[in-house]
Amino acid sequence: KQEVTQIPAALSVPEGENLVLNCSFTDSAIYNLQWFRQDPGKGLTSLLLIQSSQREQTSGRLNASLDKSSGRSTLYIAASQPGDSATYLCAVLGQAGTALIFGKGTTLSVSS
Amino acid sequence: DAGVTQSPTHLIKTRGQQVTLRCSPISGHKSVSWYQQVLGQGPQFIFQYYEKEERGRGNFPDRFSARQFPNYSSELNVNALLLGDSALYLCASSLDRTGNTGELFFGEGSRLTVL
Repeated sequence: KQEVTQIPAALSVPEGENLVLNCSFTDSAIYNLQWFRQDPGKGLTSLLLIQSSQREQTSGRLNASLDKSSGRSTLYIAASQPGDSATYLCAVLGQAGTALIFGKGTTLSVSS
Repeated sequence: DAGVTQSPTHLIKTRGQQVTLRCSPISGHKSVSWYQQVLGQGPQFIFQYYEKEERGRGNFPDRFSARQFPNYSSELNVNALLLGDSALYLCASSLDRTGNTGELFFGEGSRLTVL
């Protein structure tokens, strides 16, 4: 049974810091991995998608890496801003392509 | 283009009642999935529909049911509501089950409160 763990559960940083969010999964037989952002009470916004054959993806100040063999992904946020404050969720899609399995998320607070 | 749209955005029900939530996928997307997110947790998979057929079901009781219509929109029904059904219900659409990127796009959710 696939399990996804995100560390840390919460993180507070001052504006301008570079930071790394961690995600680990127990079954390496995945189709893809997605990182999402969720603002309080809102839906999920897709940030980055990494296919199982890829090692990393970049979008603006965000960079996500994938090491399938070790069951790990990291989300790197450069030069953090108060607007980055949100919960970040990692999710893996199994090879059957049916269900995304989510971690519990990392809640990020960036202070100005 | 419009994203995934869900209705209603908020609703309050009492225990034992029934609720229907609605979802319209992104235009051209044929797959719709439903997720339940309780406070402080990641979303949990409920159903996936593709081409109007159920393709996957999560670990939820039979009180939960869904269907997909010819225009690919979907409804999630929950009968005999329990307090524990209070959650944010998220709908996601994708181009197809697998193939392409398998990327899922989520709506803003329907917040259900059961009293």
